[in-house]
Formats: sequence, C-alpha cells, structure tokens
Amino acid sequence: EVQVAESGGDCIQPGGSLRISCAASGFPVNMNSMMWVRQAPGKGLEWVSTIIPNGNTYYSDSVRGRFSLSRDNFRNTFYLQMSSLRVDDTARYFCTGHGGNSVWGPGTLVTVSA
Amino acid sequence: QAVVTQEPSLTVSPGGTVTLTCGSNTGRVTTNSFPYWLQQKSGQAPRTLISDTVNRHSWTPARFSGSLFGGKATLTLSGAQPEDEAVYFCVLAYNGPWVFGGGTKLTVL
Repeated sequence: EVQVAESGGDCIQPGGSLRISCAASGFPVNMNSMMWVRQAPGKGLEWVSTIIPNGNTYYSDSVRGRFSLSRDNFRNTFYLQMSSLRVDDTARYFCTGHGGNSVWGPGTLVTVSA
Repeated sequence: QAVVTQEPSLTVSPGGTVTLTCGSNTGRVTTNSFPYWLQQKSGQAPRTLISDTVNRHSWTPARFSGSLFGGKATLTLSGAQPEDEAVYFCVLAYNGPWVFGGGTKLTVL
C-alpha cells in the first residue's frame, strides 16, 4: 500500500531551525517527484517545495534561501530543513508524491512562536 | 507570480451535477500544467481525487471526473452525495513550481 507519514514537527522560536521528515512506503521516493505543502491555521494549501527524481529542487518564493530539501534513498525518506523560521511559517506541513503516488499523510505541525 | 483561480463557493443539490473550474492568470490551462484536484473535509488532511488532468485514483468515487474546458481545468461531480461536502483545491505546475488555487467550498444542500 502506498503511504506517506510526516514527522518532526515542533514548537520553535522565531529564527530557529527544524528538520521535518516524510517517510514513504510502497514506492521509492528517489524515482518520484515529491513535494511539501503547508496549511496555516484556517487557510488554504500552499506549495512549499518539490524534489524531482534527478535531484533538482524547487522552492516557493516565501521559503527560498531558508528551506532546503534532501533525500535518503536507503530510508526511503525525504526531509525539509527549515531555518530562519518566522511566525508566518506556522502551519501543518504535508508531504505527497505525484501521479499515482499522490497520497497524503496526516501532516506534522510546526509552530513558530516566541 | 502565477495565480490560480477557483470559485470561492458553490452549492449543489443531492443527486445533482456541478462543475468546478481552475484557471490561470498566465493563460490557458493545458495538460502540461498537470492539474490535480484535491478534496479536504473539515479537520482532515487533503485527499487527491484527480491527478494529471483526468486520472482517478483507486479511492476516487466514479462520480468525480476531471477534464479541460474553455481554457480551464474542470472537476465535475455527477450525482452529488452529502459526503461530498468539502473544500476542493486545484493545483497547477509551472515548469517546476506549483501553485494552488484558493479552494472551492462545495455545499450539498
């Protein structure tokens, strides 16, 4: 069964750093495009970043230069390293694949607050 | 900066048919935009209904279908059920970055 599971969310102070994870099962992350999407409380969905099979990465304007993606093929997991966190980064972060692997986990909550 | 537009809200009667649309300020939506349609019910994670314009998933009820019409991506619900009440998001690809629409709140009433 194709599944993803996010983890690593926490409450962090502005300016801090955090790494969240997305563990996939049922398909190899290194052969699929994977993306992070976030949803601030009471708001819509916002695309954050994507990594494609060849390793190229794309970021939204709001996170470029502060967030970075990486991938661990052995663990079949990909990561979002977040730094210089701001209050407006507070959201539930979801990961998902593309095409037939477009499944969603419950997300992981990142709260940035003093 | 690309902007993806959706109807803010729509209402459909039980058993009725409704079409949601997804447009782009950069021009016509095509298959090269790889439109996706997601359903999000209150308090739940999103669920992908349609990938790459027309492809249903194993969990997608047959009453949902995706297409292109009039330069937009469309999601048609034929035979609405009370459990279809939700917010529906579309998302389009722009040669790397993706952009979500603001979502359509669908009421079945």
